[in-house]
Amino acid sequence: GAVVSQHPSRVICKSGTSVKIECRSLDFQATTMFWYRQFPKQSLMLMATSNEGSKATYEQGVEKDKFLINHASLTLSTLTVTSAHPEDSSFYICSASALRGRHYNEQFFGPGTRLTVL
Amino acid sequence: DAKTTQPPSMDCAEGRAANLPCNHSTISGNEYVYWYRQIHSQGPQYIIHGLKNNETNEMASLIITEDRKSSTLILPHATLRDTAVYYCIVRVAMNDMRFGAGTRLTVKP
Repeated sequence: GAVVSQHPSRVICKSGTSVKIECRSLDFQATTMFWYRQFPKQSLMLMATSNEGSKATYEQGVEKDKFLINHASLTLSTLTVTSAHPEDSSFYICSASALRGRHYNEQFFGPGTRLTVL
Repeated sequence: DAKTTQPPSMDCAEGRAANLPCNHSTISGNEYVYWYRQIHSQGPQYIIHGLKNNETNEMASLIITEDRKSSTLILPHATLRDTAVYYCIVRVAMNDMRFGAGTRLTVKP
């Protein structure tokens, strides 16, 4: 399968700071990328969907001004958690899917980023 | 508003087949059945997917009932490394992937 990477894998920050998480599709062009959040012992919750070159679509209850998503190229999407607070501590996971090519209709997940806000 | 129902947990003996059921009684004609698994603190790993026919790959087999209202993921020879949470998801092509609670499979020696 295709490879999706995330950076950093783990980040600890102080309350009030902003944190940027990168998601890259390494060997295919991802027309759509998805961002999920997972709290301990819970399932993945979809936060937003982003298509290359357009604004992200956020799920109900997810603050778009707090979780800034940029999908500037077919291989890179970023999630910025602005003014992070301890309740934002979570496991953030991205996934990518391709509109064409041999990975059409498949969705590949990154390894996740563990965010801890002190 | 989960579209699938899975048992919360299952045990399986090492070396035996693990059969994980999933109920998706409201599945639409254009929705695929996907299976992913998540090992602790990692991203979900794709296992297999299908539309109507049974599917097999190097990891598992997927059996979909004729009415498509349920399916079973089969790991033919479970190992300790197969211990994970297994998610069954129904999805229209290219749409987002929404996760339910999944089944926590524990493979025991």
